[in-house]
Amino acid sequence: EVELLESGGGLVQPGVSLRLSCAASGFTFSSYDMSWVRQAPGKALEWVSGISSSGGSTYFADSVKGRFTISRDNSKNTLYLQMNSLRAEDTAVYYCAKEFGVNYGMDVWGQGTTVIVSS
Amino acid sequence: SSELTQDPAVSVALGQTVRITCQGDSLRNYYASWYQQKPGQAPVLVIYGKNDRPSGIPDRFSGSSSRNTASLTITGAQAEDEADYYCNSRDSSGNRVFGGGTKLTVL
Repeated sequence: EVELLESGGGLVQPGVSLRLSCAASGFTFSSYDMSWVRQAPGKALEWVSGISSSGGSTYFADSVKGRFTISRDNSKNTLYLQMNSLRAEDTAVYYCAKEFGVNYGMDVWGQGTTVIVSS
Repeated sequence: SSELTQDPAVSVALGQTVRITCQGDSLRNYYASWYQQKPGQAPVLVIYGKNDRPSGIPDRFSGSSSRNTASLTITGAQAEDEADYYCNSRDSSGNRVFGGGTKLTVL
């Protein structure tokens, strides 16, 4: 069964760092681009970051550029999101998603991990 | 950065047809993908590419595109189709962008 399982969320204070992980199973992880998508409470989905299958190319939304980094370990079938200088507006459920095809979309989603940034 | 615009809310009578639209310049060059999200659940891909459905998505869901507008059509809406729907596409820099979402109510 194809599955994505996020972890690493929690309650943190503004300004600190947090690393999210996404463990993939049931497909050849190293063959697919991956993305992180977040959803603040009661708000729309927001694409956060993406990474190519090899990890050689990374992409970021303007709202997180310079603060977040994305990486992957294809030997461990795991995707990461390193979040630095966290702000209250980063509070959201964070989903990892598998991309398929350059122009197709995200066909597999995890159940999400919650990040709350509050003092 | 590019933007995608959706109507915030749409309603449809049970069994009728509804169209949800998404507008944005990136849609002139890239396909939209459409996601259904029910409360407390992760999004589910319902339409991708020119007009393709993942396995398990009912054929009452279809997609189309013209110029800068993509549309998701539900033909014969069912009660279980009540959800939020989001469009998404790439932009020229390789980033992705979501629309603001459309809340579909089935009356």
